[in-house]
Amino acid sequence: DAKTTQPPSMDCAEGRAANLPCNHSTISGNEYVYWYRQIHSQGPQYIIHGLKNNETNEMASLIITEDRKSSTLILPHATLRDTAVYYCIVRSENYGGSQGNLIFGKGTKLSVKP
Amino acid sequence: ETGVTQTPRHLVMGMTNKKSLKCEQHLGHNAMYWYKQSAKKPLELMFVYNFKEQTENNSVPSRFSPECPNSSHLFLHLHTLQPEDSALYLCASSPQSGRTYNEQFFGPGTRLTVL
Repeated sequence: DAKTTQPPSMDCAEGRAANLPCNHSTISGNEYVYWYRQIHSQGPQYIIHGLKNNETNEMASLIITEDRKSSTLILPHATLRDTAVYYCIVRSENYGGSQGNLIFGKGTKLSVKP
Repeated sequence: ETGVTQTPRHLVMGMTNKKSLKCEQHLGHNAMYWYKQSAKKPLELMFVYNFKEQTENNSVPSRFSPECPNSSHLFLHLHTLQPEDSALYLCASSPQSGRTYNEQFFGPGTRLTVL
């Protein structure tokens, strides 16, 4: 089972920041937070991941709370092409075992509207 | 061609047919994965291959038979499927399985319909 809780859907106006929350209250010390997204009828796409520090790349920013029990993915200027299902995944640092696998939940369906 | 490719993109088959799905990655990765995505359900991991060896079978019925002849190619052989097996089948690859920092790259998927 997925170890994360996300709202099933969210709307965002084009050009505004999209803030997608994720709860992972049972996260353990060696588990990372990963974000993927899946645009309709395509395979999932990696966005970003982090352990405890905030992370930023060309796609998004990841803010992880100090207790690591929740995080927020931020798309700074959402476009219509960002409409997708966004998955927050907790993944173990495990060398060769199944705990390192990606376990997808239902994600958040983000709709960016003009 | 770059990334992860899957063929065919769409497949319709009867319950008595035998068919195969093909996945190819051009990323130099050593791990490959099969996932199943049924309508309105989360992605389910089916099989994991690491350096051509199967390291995970997630209780998948034997009517699904994977094959990994080398690190670049992965097949899913289908035999005597049921209508409930209709789904999007996704292939992914990563530098190595089970390790962090190794994000998985997904193909576009094969949309399978079993009649």
